[in-house]
Amino acid sequence: DVHLLESGGGLVQPGGSLRLSCAASNFNFRTYAMSWVRQAPGKGLEWVSSLTAGGENTFYADSVKGRFTFSRDNSKNTLYLQLNSLRAEDTAIYYCGRVMFGPTYYFDSWGQGTLVTVSS
Amino acid sequence: EIVLTQSPATLSLSPGERATLSCRASQTIYNYLAWYQQKLGQAPRLLIYDTSKRATGIPARFSGSGAGTDFTLTISSLEPEDFAFYYCQQRRDWPITFGGGTKVEIK
Repeated sequence: DVHLLESGGGLVQPGGSLRLSCAASNFNFRTYAMSWVRQAPGKGLEWVSSLTAGGENTFYADSVKGRFTFSRDNSKNTLYLQLNSLRAEDTAIYYCGRVMFGPTYYFDSWGQGTLVTVSS
Repeated sequence: EIVLTQSPATLSLSPGERATLSCRASQTIYNYLAWYQQKLGQAPRLLIYDTSKRATGIPARFSGSGAGTDFTLTISSLEPEDFAFYYCQQRRDWPITFGGGTKVEIK
């Protein structure tokens, strides 16, 4: 089975930074585009960012553009999401998701998520 | 940005009943629509993609239909494990967007 494991979440003050990681296993990681989706407490799903398989192209939601940076290390089967200038509204569970092959930009496998709380 | 509007917000049904969930797009998304199921405390799970194709391992009681701007997820006969939140998602254009969700609860 595809396995995705997020880490790096925690409590951070407004204006602070955090780096999330997502370790992938049991599939050919380097051939898949990947994404991050977040969910604020009690709210719906919000797409955050997507990155192509080779890392050439990155797409961001307007709400995080210029503050978040999505990268990957295909030699380590790992994704990274650098979160800077954090705001209270960034508080959410952050899920990494595998993009269905194509890429289709549907998400066919998800991690269990890591919680980011932005509060003073 | 393409806005997806899901209705109803809550659907109260009994096991064995048919569930019909709606997702309407603010502009045409052709057939580039997916549906996800999310249970409390769990990650979402892909059910349907490209409007009507079932993802791997998804039971046949889940079906999708529609085109253009109006889409439907149908659960033909609700099982106890189907009571959950459901979200639609479009990939027609950036940014990728999700609908606000429908909660299917036990009546």
